[in-house]
Amino acid sequence: GQNIDQPTEMTATEGAIVQINCTYQTSGFNGLFWYQQHAGEAPTFLSYNVLDGLEEKGRFSSFLSRSKGYSYLLLKELQMKDSASYLCAVRDNYGQNFVFGPGTRLSVLP
Amino acid sequence: EAEVAQSPRYKITEKSQAVAFWCDPISGHATLYWYRQILGQGPELLVQFQDESVVDDSQLPKDRFSAERLKGVDSTLKIQPAELGDSAMYLCASSSPGQGYGYTFGSGTRLTVV
Repeated sequence: GQNIDQPTEMTATEGAIVQINCTYQTSGFNGLFWYQQHAGEAPTFLSYNVLDGLEEKGRFSSFLSRSKGYSYLLLKELQMKDSASYLCAVRDNYGQNFVFGPGTRLSVLP
Repeated sequence: EAEVAQSPRYKITEKSQAVAFWCDPISGHATLYWYRQILGQGPELLVQFQDESVVDDSQLPKDRFSAERLKGVDSTLKIQPAELGDSAMYLCASSSPGQGYGYTFGSGTRLTVV
């Protein structure tokens, strides 16, 4: 079966660092993706990991451990505009189908 | 930047009525997806097309939902009859092989069934 787990909600302060965790159990694995979704809008791509380790893109970094079925998204120097839901998604081996987690709603407070 | 076009952006319909959504993927993207996202949850796949063929529709409630992509380009998702529980955001996405960065989503259609 497919199971992706994320915390439901997180709160952090402007300027701080926050780490959003994702654990997964899927029948296949061909990459892990993080998407940002503002309320009422479509998800937008943030990062992609297929090998173990850390991928850094500006204020956002994503880490993957395939042996542990674990990833995290790290957001640095938080800004108010970072308040959004963050979706973890795994692409399976058999095609380009993605399985999405439930999303983590992040609130950035002044 | 190329976009996935969806319409309408918002739709309010009465239960038992029919409703249809339209999606035009990025030019050249062979794979097209329809997802349903209930408020507060992650997107769930309804149907996946490769060109004009259905690759996966295992989660599509076929008694009331149908999807087509006749010429392998744009696609239509239909619900008939709509039920209150169908209220959700319907997202279309497209991708091409080797697209490491995953899907490109459209802006979605927010459906409210009253």
